[in-house]
Amino acid sequence: DIQMTQSPSSLSASVGDRVTITCRASQTISEYLNWYQQKPGKAPKFLVSAASSLQSGVPSRFSGSGSGTDFTLTINNLQPEDFATYYCQQSYSTPSTFGQGTNLEIK
Amino acid sequence: QVQLMESGGGLVNPGGSLRLSCAASGFTFSDHYMTWIRQAPGKGLEWVAYISGSSSNTKYADSVRGRFIISRDNAWTSLYLQMDSLRAEDTAVYYCARMDTSYGLSFDHWGQGTLVTVSS
Repeated sequence: DIQMTQSPSSLSASVGDRVTITCRASQTISEYLNWYQQKPGKAPKFLVSAASSLQSGVPSRFSGSGSGTDFTLTINNLQPEDFATYYCQQSYSTPSTFGQGTNLEIK
Repeated sequence: QVQLMESGGGLVNPGGSLRLSCAASGFTFSDHYMTWIRQAPGKGLEWVAYISGSSSNTKYADSVRGRFIISRDNAWTSLYLQMDSLRAEDTAVYYCARMDTSYGLSFDHWGQGTLVTVSS
């Protein structure tokens, strides 16, 4: 199975900041990498597909990049509604696997 | 709009069985792979199983293979998960999700989840 490792596991930031979350795969996955946002008590929301394609309705302050084994999710100009947990997921092979999550908290 | 609504969760004894359902609407159900994903309390996401639109292709995580069965009824636009021989480590919120297979397998719409608790 492909292991996905996110860093950091938690992150404190302020409204207006720029933050970057990293996801590393244990083997190359091309651009088969997706990002999800989850708020407490809610289902995950699909943010980014194929490493860098924003889903419809996702604000342009979100961006994804990377290929191979190393990927990033960047959020510019953090807004109050962005404080949540973020997960990466590889869709290169079955079983599909997720990173352990990055909890983005308000400083 | 796409809507997914899970039901069937609850408290069950170890070794017991439970059947989860997911009612889908707002899209052509038979055109899409569907999946179950779970999240243990305070933990991350774990993919459980998926099924193709025609039910001809199913896959399971090693942790549930041989104990869980995924199925669907396209006439009723419903997805199911039959869970047998339940263990304490199966305790989780179970989400059904629609899959997008245009580039790998992603999960583009999720239900609100149903909680399964395995405990005596």
